[in-house]
Amino acid sequence: EIVLTQSPGTLSLSPGERATLSCRASQSVSSSSLGWYQQKVGQAPRLLIYGASSRATGIPDRFSGSGSGTDFTLIISRLEPEDFAVYYCQHYGSSSITFGQGTRLDIK
Amino acid sequence: EVQLLESGGGLVQPGGSLRLSCAASGFTFGNYAMGWVRQAPGEGLEWVSSISGSGAVTYYADSVRGRFTFSRDNSKNTLYLQMNSLRAEDTAVYFCVRRIAGASGAFDIWGQGTMVTVSS
Repeated sequence: EIVLTQSPGTLSLSPGERATLSCRASQSVSSSSLGWYQQKVGQAPRLLIYGASSRATGIPDRFSGSGSGTDFTLIISRLEPEDFAVYYCQHYGSSSITFGQGTRLDIK
Repeated sequence: EVQLLESGGGLVQPGGSLRLSCAASGFTFGNYAMGWVRQAPGEGLEWVSSISGSGAVTYYADSVRGRFTFSRDNSKNTLYLQMNSLRAEDTAVYFCVRRIAGASGAFDIWGQGTMVTVSS
């Protein structure tokens, strides 16, 4: 089973700043199998990025994903107030799916 | 509007059973693989199970395999998660999800979730 480790656990930034979130896989994975989600308190998660770098429908272009092999990154170029939330990476394999433990993005 | 609506959650004693349902609308249901993801209180996301568009193929997390059964009725646009031998650690919000079309396995549509509490 692929284990995903996200860092940092918590990131404190101010609106307008750039956020860089990391997701490391326990072994090399296909870029097509890596996704990112945003979850706000009391809400269901929302798909941001699939295939490591493709934005989901309706996702602003300030969100971007990159990476390959074992290291993947989600970048939010300029934080808006509504971006402060928990972010999860996800690996979808042929018969199992795993999530990272999440990165909490807090307002500084 | 594309929508998933879960129901069937509630309080159940350890060892008991519960069946969750998820009603889908706004898309051609049988064309999509679907899944369940759960989230224990204050915790992260955990994939539970997935099912192919036809319902012929199912996958389960190790934590629920042998206890949970995932099925679908494409004539009713509805998913079912039969949960047996429930344990305290199954307590969570259960989300019904749609797998994105194409090669990617990401979940592009999520229901609002239904709470399952396993406690005596």
